[in-house]
Amino acid sequence: KQEVTQIPAALSVPEGENLVLNCSFTDSAIYNLQWFRQDPGKGLTSLLLIQSSQREQTSGRLNASLDKSSGRSTLYIAASQPGDSATYLCAVRPHRGGADGLTFGKGTHLIIQP
Amino acid sequence: GAGVSQSPRYKVAKRGQDVALRCDPISGHVSLFWYQQALGQGPEFLTYFQNEAQLDKSGLPSDRFFAERPEGSVSTLKIQRTQQEDSAVYLCASSLVGLSTDTQYFGPGTRLTVL
Repeated sequence: KQEVTQIPAALSVPEGENLVLNCSFTDSAIYNLQWFRQDPGKGLTSLLLIQSSQREQTSGRLNASLDKSSGRSTLYIAASQPGDSATYLCAVRPHRGGADGLTFGKGTHLIIQP
Repeated sequence: GAGVSQSPRYKVAKRGQDVALRCDPISGHVSLFWYQQALGQGPEFLTYFQNEAQLDKSGLPSDRFFAERPEGSVSTLKIQRTQQEDSAVYLCASSLVGLSTDTQYFGPGTRLTVL
């Protein structure tokens, strides 16, 4: 069974710092990996989607990398801002068998201090 | 509307009551997913539709949970005889076709509290 782990569970940093969120998964047979942002009381907003054949994706101050063979992904946030405060979720889409839905980690709760 | 909508946004039920949660996907999206998110946890997959066909219901926790999408658009998740452990946020997502390359777009969720 696919398991997704996110480290750290929570992170608090001053505004302006660069930071890295980590995600690991146990089964490398995936179609893609997606990073989401979740704000309190709201749904999930997709940030970046990396296909299994890709190594990284970039959007603005965000960069996500994928090492499928080692089962790892990182989300890099440059020049953090208070508006980046949210819970960040990593999810993989399995490549074979079973559910067609995403398998999520528990998330990293990020606080950017003004 | 432009995004996925869900109703109601909040639902309080007494233990044993039946509830129905509604999801309106993005217009034209073929695939629809339901997830359950307990407090402090990531979402967990419940079930998946492609048009009106329920292709995967392996994540439904018990036979008290039932989902349908009769016309391939709006979907309803029904929970019979609710229990306290059913308290969670129920998220709906849709994607254009359902290809491996598709992004899933999520609604705001329905927060269910069972007393």
